[in-house]
Amino acid sequence: DGGITQSPKYLFRKEGQNVTLSCEQNLNHDAMYWYRQDPGQGLRLIYYSQIVNDFQKGDIAEGYSVSREKKESFPLTVTSAQKNPTAFYLCASSSTPGGQAYNEQFFGPGTRLTVL
Amino acid sequence: DAKTTQPPSMDCAEGRAANLPCNHSTISGNEYVYWYRQIHSQGPQYIIHGLKNNETNEMASLIITEDRKSSTLILPHATLRDTAVYYCIVRALYNAGNNRKLIWGLGTSLAVNP
Repeated sequence: DGGITQSPKYLFRKEGQNVTLSCEQNLNHDAMYWYRQDPGQGLRLIYYSQIVNDFQKGDIAEGYSVSREKKESFPLTVTSAQKNPTAFYLCASSSTPGGQAYNEQFFGPGTRLTVL
Repeated sequence: DAKTTQPPSMDCAEGRAANLPCNHSTISGNEYVYWYRQIHSQGPQYIIHGLKNNETNEMASLIITEDRKSSTLILPHATLRDTAVYYCIVRALYNAGNNRKLIWGLGTSLAVNP
């Protein structure tokens, strides 16, 4: 089945440690995104990538880093510089619209990160 | 991108229609209206989108007012599995340099009751 996978579903880390969240898609989508969601809040964009080997900062990129070496993969690293990393992290992808407006985003199941 | 306003919560009886309103009074002519929903602790799920005509798919109907300043998502026969947070988002057409991001508000928490 086509879709987006994120692993692990739950992740615990000690304060000061870097941690990498995995995101893989087999939808052949060019664009991929990372969002953060805090309790009772909407999604906020961390980073996005429109094509391999290219990515752009979103609204809350400080303390995070990404890479896009393959079309299928867009891992997110939460560094020790992120002041409040405990949150629900969501990865999404969308196809290249080619000038069309339609750009439905497909989401993974999310990773809940808790920093102790 | 235009901002949207949605009621924080709504209730609906199982089997009845759920009508979720969204105000987007500053929407531009090239901005589409998208609806997503998020079941607790899961990733959001796309429902429907539209520009100015009413739209219907297997999940829902989208009614956009003629002046495009508001819209209503209709779930014709709500079930318990439709209990979720529903997000209304407006976004412009893709063009060169556009980052295609969606701006998410707080949404409407819909509770479908038996």
